[in-house]
Amino acid sequence: KQEVTQIPAALSVPEGENLVLNCSFTDSAIYNLQWFRQDPGKGLTSLLLIQSSQREQTSGRLNASLDKSSGRSTLYIAASQPGDSATYLCAVRGNYGQNFVFGPGTRLSVLP
Amino acid sequence: EAGVAQSPRYKIIEKRQSVAFWCNPISGHATLYWYQQILGQGPKLLIQFQNNGVVDDSQLPKDRFSAERLKGVDSTLKIQPAKLEDSAVYLCASSLEWGQTNTEAFFGQGTRLTVV
Repeated sequence: KQEVTQIPAALSVPEGENLVLNCSFTDSAIYNLQWFRQDPGKGLTSLLLIQSSQREQTSGRLNASLDKSSGRSTLYIAASQPGDSATYLCAVRGNYGQNFVFGPGTRLSVLP
Repeated sequence: EAGVAQSPRYKIIEKRQSVAFWCNPISGHATLYWYQQILGQGPKLLIQFQNNGVVDDSQLPKDRFSAERLKGVDSTLKIQPAKLEDSAVYLCASSLEWGQTNTEAFFGQGTRLTVV
């Protein structure tokens, strides 16, 4: 059974810092991995999708990497802004049409 | 492109009452998911549909929860009777059919259920 963990559970940084959020999964037989952002009281917004054959994906100030063999993904946020404050969730999908298994999320606060 | 639509946004009911949530996925998305998100936790799958067939409902409490996806488009999730521990946000998501190149999942805004 796939299990996903995220470290740290919460993070508070001053504006302008570069930061890294970590996601670990127990079963490396994944089809893809997706990073989401969730603002309080809102649904999930897709940030980046990495297929199992890819090593990384970039979108603006965000860069996500994937190391399937070690069961890890990282989300790098460059030059953080107060508007980046939210909960960041990673989710992995298995190789056989399985659903997305989510981690518990990292709650990020970027202080002005 | 319209996103995933859910209604209602909020619902407050008393325990033992029934409630229903509605989801309209992105047009052309064959796969539809219902997730339950308890405060402070990541979403947990309740049920996954491929068109109008159930792919995975192993974590759906079938004694009180039911879901259907008639005609392979809209879906309804029902709880009857509700318990206090059902208080959560219910999220609907959709993606292209399994096997497509891009199966990125898109989520609706969710329905926040409070059972009192």
